[in-house]
Amino acid sequence: AQSVTQLDSQVPVFEEAPVELRCNYSSSVSVYLFWYVQYPNQGLQLLLKYLSGSTLVKGINGFEAEFNKSQTSFHLRKPSVHISDTAEYFCAVSDPVGGNKLTFGTGTQLKVEL
Amino acid sequence: GAVVSQHPSWVICKSGTSVKIECRSLDFQATTMFWYRQFPKQSLMLMATSNEGSKATYEQGVEKDKFLINHASLTLSTLTVTSAHPEDSSFYICSAKRGGGATEAFFGQGTRLTVV
Repeated sequence: AQSVTQLDSQVPVFEEAPVELRCNYSSSVSVYLFWYVQYPNQGLQLLLKYLSGSTLVKGINGFEAEFNKSQTSFHLRKPSVHISDTAEYFCAVSDPVGGNKLTFGTGTQLKVEL
Repeated sequence: GAVVSQHPSWVICKSGTSVKIECRSLDFQATTMFWYRQFPKQSLMLMATSNEGSKATYEQGVEKDKFLINHASLTLSTLTVTSAHPEDSSFYICSAKRGGGATEAFFGQGTRLTVV
């Protein structure tokens, strides 16, 4: 069984400031890791994913995440946020062997303020 | 990227009636489709996984007779909420995945169901 923990339910940040959204996971097998963004009343859009290889993954909209196996973390970062980044962010894991079903964290609401 | 379309985007129905939600992959063949339910300010909970041409696999605690899933073609899956009640009101989201070991699932825009 897998689980995902997003400790921060809300993260307020000023525009142009850096931000880090934390994600920790637990799994007994190797996993794939994902970050999704959700705008109000919309589906999910993939920001980035880690499957294998380089532990630093770059995604869309200037986001990046680093896979840390020893700390079982996959934190999402952006060096300078914009108002339009205000949204809900979900970290997710999937088990490559188990049909790639996604298990989601509880989400982090990023609120960018002027 | 691939496009997944859900219809309708919102629906209001009376208690006791049934509602069908469609999920279509517009530009690829979806071997597997997933249905999620999301309560306000909460995460997505997987309801069921459907593979084209076979019966859906439901997650523990999900009533298969209440949430009927059909995946009759490689581009269409439907979720029917039967005898809907107010507690079924929620945001339902589908996702679709290609076959052949694809790692990424593409999400529809979601359907807001309100049962009155």
